[in-house]
Amino acid sequence: DIVMTQSPDSLAVSLGERATINCKSSQSVLYSSNNKNYLAWYQQKPGQPPKLLIYWASTRESGVPDRFSGSGSGTDFTLTISSLQAEDVALYYCQQCYYIPYTFGQGTKLEIK
Amino acid sequence: EVQLVESGGGLVQPGGSLRLSCAASGFSFSSYWMTWVRQAPGKGLEWVANIKQDESDENYVDSVKGRFTISRDNAKNSLYLQMSSLRAEDTAVYYCARLQGWGRFDSWGQGTLVTVSS
Repeated sequence: DIVMTQSPDSLAVSLGERATINCKSSQSVLYSSNNKNYLAWYQQKPGQPPKLLIYWASTRESGVPDRFSGSGSGTDFTLTISSLQAEDVALYYCQQCYYIPYTFGQGTKLEIK
Repeated sequence: EVQLVESGGGLVQPGGSLRLSCAASGFSFSSYWMTWVRQAPGKGLEWVANIKQDESDENYVDSVKGRFTISRDNAKNSLYLQMSSLRAEDTAVYYCARLQGWGRFDSWGQGTLVTVSS
């Protein structure tokens, strides 16, 4: 199985500042035939289901604010929130959607400093 | 608007069985792979199973193979998860989700809690 490792486990950032979360996969999730990385990012707020933010490593889901961006390729990926808002406090998960079983990172808790 | 509503969770003894349901609306249910994802209390997300549009293909995480069966009824716009030989480690909120493209989950239900305890 592909192991997804996120860093850090928790992160405190001031309002308006940049937040960066990293995700590393134990195998490449780049599909060479279409040059797409099968890596997604989700946001989960307390008591709510996860919400898809980013797919193909860098494509924002419809309706997601443009302060959220994803980057990376192969095995190393990053989720960046360019200017943290209070409503961004949540858990963030990366997920590889290339191989079955689909696997998630352990989650990163984002808080306000 | 896409809606997914799970039901069927509850308290069950170890070794027992339970059937979860997910009612879908707001989209063409028969056109999508569907999936179950679970989250143990205070823990992360774990993909459990998925099923193809016409039920011709299904996949499971190793820890539930032989114990859980995913199914669907396209006429009723419903997804199911039959769980048997339940263990304490199956205790979790179970979410149904729509599988978009290749493996990303773009719509989720609110979840149903399954507690396995004596």
